[in-house]
Amino acid sequence: DTVLTQSPALAVSPGERVTISCRASESVSTLMHWYQQKPGQQPKLLIYKASNLASGVPARFSGSGSGTDFTFTIDPVEADDIATYYCHQSWNSPLTFGSGTKLEIK
Amino acid sequence: EVKLQQSGDELVRPGASVKISCKASGYTFTSYSMHWVKQRPGQGLEWIGAIIPIIDTTEYNQKFKGKATLTADKSSNTANMELSRLTSEDSAVYYCARHGTGIFDYWGQGVMVTVSS
Repeated sequence: DTVLTQSPALAVSPGERVTISCRASESVSTLMHWYQQKPGQQPKLLIYKASNLASGVPARFSGSGSGTDFTFTIDPVEADDIATYYCHQSWNSPLTFGSGTKLEIK
Repeated sequence: EVKLQQSGDELVRPGASVKISCKASGYTFTSYSMHWVKQRPGQGLEWIGAIIPIIDTTEYNQKFKGKATLTADKSSNTANMELSRLTSEDSAVYYCARHGTGIFDYWGQGVMVTVSS
């Protein structure tokens, strides 16, 4: 299975920039996607195919990368961005998710 | 508006089975595959498998073969997942998610399955 390793929990202040990394154990081409999950809610798609902003998602969110190394950025961070962020690959079967990065606001 | 409405939370006995549903609306049900994802309390997301309703073809994560059975009812636009021989390891929230052009673009609200005697 393709293992996705995410950076650990992060704490940032509102207005700052935060970057979350996701490294795949094998190439996933550009089929890496990012989801936001708030407590008690289903995941919400933010970025698809590495760098494409999902419909209705603010431009504060962005993504980049290809192959095995990917990054997800929020700039600037807002208080409402408190959530866990997951990377997800759909290039290899089985589909897999990262373990999640919990974003905390200082 | 695309919507995936899942059935209610379930409390089931160890060893029993449970069937949960996901009713789709706002789009052509047979035009997209439907996937299922497991999330244990405080844990990450695990892909269970998928069904392509138009041809009733399924694909499973090897880990869930024999545990999960996916079906689709085209007459009611409903995807179903049956979980069998339940243990405490199956206690989790289960989501259905529409797969559009390689991404999970819409998710159900989730069903919490609690396995307890």
